[in-house]
Amino acid sequence: QVQLVESGGGVVQPGRSLRLSCAASGFTFSSYGMHWVRQAPGKGLEWVAVISHDGSNKYSADSVKGRFTISRDNSKNTLYLQMNSLRAEDTAVYYCAKNLWFGELWAPFDYWGQGTLVTVSS
Amino acid sequence: QSALTQPRSVSGSPGQSVTISCTGTSSDVGGYNYVSWYQHHPGKAPKLMIYDVSKRPSGVPDRFSGSKSGSTASLTISGLQAEDEADYYCCSYAGSEVFGGGTKLTVL
Repeated sequence: QVQLVESGGGVVQPGRSLRLSCAASGFTFSSYGMHWVRQAPGKGLEWVAVISHDGSNKYSADSVKGRFTISRDNSKNTLYLQMNSLRAEDTAVYYCAKNLWFGELWAPFDYWGQGTLVTVSS
Repeated sequence: QSALTQPRSVSGSPGQSVTISCTGTSSDVGGYNYVSWYQHHPGKAPKLMIYDVSKRPSGVPDRFSGSKSGSTASLTISGLQAEDEADYYCCSYAGSEVFGGGTKLTVL
């Protein structure tokens, strides 16, 4: 069965960096686009970034552009989110999510991980 | 893009039907038939309930249905059950993905 397990969250000071990982199993990881979605405390879901199945195309939300970088290692079935210059407003649970359709960049998210909490605080 | 507009909360009794609206613009909901709906029980992974406005993934009960008129999409849940109590989010393609603010469904 499909499993997505995020890790790497924690407490970090403003301006510092953190890298999140999402370990995937139960499907052909290299065939699917992947996303990061976050949820700030008491707030709704916010799309963060997407990467194509082969890593050749990447897009991110304006709120994180220039600070966050999405990447993937298909040999390790792992998705990453490198977060630099972190701000208090980046505090959220970060979810990785899998595309419904193989080969597509934009698609509904048919599987999500349980999320990892990132807290940006001094 | 701005978040799509959803009511903050809706409620219904077991067996009743409820409808959650999701209002956007011609740049998102109104411009594409790529609206999806997610059910989120706090502390758990969100679950895809509806995609492409009205399609149900396998395993989702047919009590859940989706529709769209102009720039407003809707999720209808009929035959409400206690386990339907959750937060519901709409999402639309708009050049990227944009979510609604979420609606808390309470089953009375």
